[in-house]
Amino acid sequence: DAMVIQNPRYQVTQFGKPVTLSCSQTLNHNVMYWYQQKSSQAPKLLFHYYDKDFNNEADTPDNFQSRRPNTSFCFLDIRSPGLGDAAMYLCATSRGDRQETQYFGPGTRLLVL
Amino acid sequence: GDSVTQMEGPVTLSEEAFLTINCTYTATGYPSLFWYVQYPGEGLQLLLKATKADDKGSNKGFEATYRKETTSFHLEKGSVQVSDSAVYFCALIGLGNQFYFGTGTSLTVIP
Repeated sequence: DAMVIQNPRYQVTQFGKPVTLSCSQTLNHNVMYWYQQKSSQAPKLLFHYYDKDFNNEADTPDNFQSRRPNTSFCFLDIRSPGLGDAAMYLCATSRGDRQETQYFGPGTRLLVL
Repeated sequence: GDSVTQMEGPVTLSEEAFLTINCTYTATGYPSLFWYVQYPGEGLQLLLKATKADDKGSNKGFEATYRKETTSFHLEKGSVQVSDSAVYFCALIGLGNQFYFGTGTSLTVIP
C-alpha cells in the first residue's frame, strides 16, 4: 500500500506559468519534506514542515513556496518556473523523532517548456 | 558540518559478482546511517539502516556495518542481479534531524 503519494507523476508546464505539486501521506507522520533532485545529483532539501511549523532552507529560492493544510497533505508551489527548475521533486515524511527514517514518495518529474 | 562521502560511479558488474560501494561520513555525535536505492524514474526507497556503532543493517541480500572507528558504512552484496541496477545513496541524519545525502553511485549489472 502506498504510504507517500505524489501527484502528478509527470508535470509539464510553460516558462513562467505557476505550477503546484501535491503530496499526501497515510503514515500520520509529523514531518513532511520537499526535495529537488536534478539529474545525477543527490536530493537537495528545499523546506520542511514539522506539524504546522514551516522551515525554509537558506538557499531555497523565493520562487518556491509550500502549504500544508493538514497532517496528510503538503503542496509545493512554483510561482514562476524557469528552465532551471526542471527536475524531479521528491516528497518525504518522518515521524519527527530524533534520527528517524524518512519515507519517500515516487516523485514528480517536472518539465518546463 | 555533517557530510557523507560516497564512492564515485558509475559501477558496472557482471551478474553474480560481489558488490562494494564505499561510504564514509563526518558528523558530530552518533548519527544514524542509511542506504537508499533509487530505481530509474522512481523515488528513493530505504534499503537498510543502522542507528549505532557495530550495528549491521541488512535487506534483500545487501549489508552494511556501522564502523565508528573508521567512520564508514560500506554497502556490500555477495551476488548482484540485473534487477539491482539502480542508484544507491548513502545518507546520515545528524543531531539537527537533517538528512545529508552522498552524491549517489550508479550501479549497472549486466547479464
